[in-house]
Amino acid sequence: GAVVSQHPSWVICKSGTSVKIECRSLDFQATTMFWYRQFPKQSLMLMATSNEGSKATYEQGVEKDKFLINHASLTLSTLTVTSAHPEDSSFYICSARGRGQRGNQPQHFGDGTRLSIL
Amino acid sequence: EDQVTQSPEALRLQEGESSSLNCSYTVSGLRGLFWYRQDPGKGPEFLFTLYSAGEEKEKERLKATLTKKESFLHITAPKPEDSATYLCAVQAYNTDKLIFGTGTRLQVFP
Repeated sequence: GAVVSQHPSWVICKSGTSVKIECRSLDFQATTMFWYRQFPKQSLMLMATSNEGSKATYEQGVEKDKFLINHASLTLSTLTVTSAHPEDSSFYICSARGRGQRGNQPQHFGDGTRLSIL
Repeated sequence: EDQVTQSPEALRLQEGESSSLNCSYTVSGLRGLFWYRQDPGKGPEFLFTLYSAGEEKEKERLKATLTKKESFLHITAPKPEDSATYLCAVQAYNTDKLIFGTGTRLQVFP
């Protein structure tokens, strides 16, 4: 149980293009989803928290106009990196917490998306 | 400021050689401490949640313990398939946010 699927797993694109990453909870309804970024040999850094049907909450220093998050249903959240540049290259990982779970229940993670901007 | 420090950064063990990984934390009211395992190129896989000092959780060769300042992940008689990066994260009260450490990269050799 508690499977989170992320797609695509790897994307390479040219500077200036926009990239959309999908995060789906496959066997549970996720009222809260989280988006993280991980640089090599560094810890996961939370970018934003999204609740189904409402606007995402962004962490300090994360540009909300650059990283667009949509959580339109209880099983799907998307992250769109707009006008991506080489410095946006990173490993992006989503996580989800199930409906009805207490706030300190574990988050379940997808397998991440490796984004490379040329 | 909430913070998590993990040590050692890397650990090489012979198969069967037991050891412990450390996670030291400072947090303004601990809501939960989480251990995850991360394989290369993959997302973290949930292992344990600990909520209060003195609590212990076990799963196969892994045992997690918690004090007011740190948590240990004990690995008993590890096998090569236990090789991975082990991540520790804390969550403070009144927040959904997890603060992660940089992890301990464990390699177990046959």
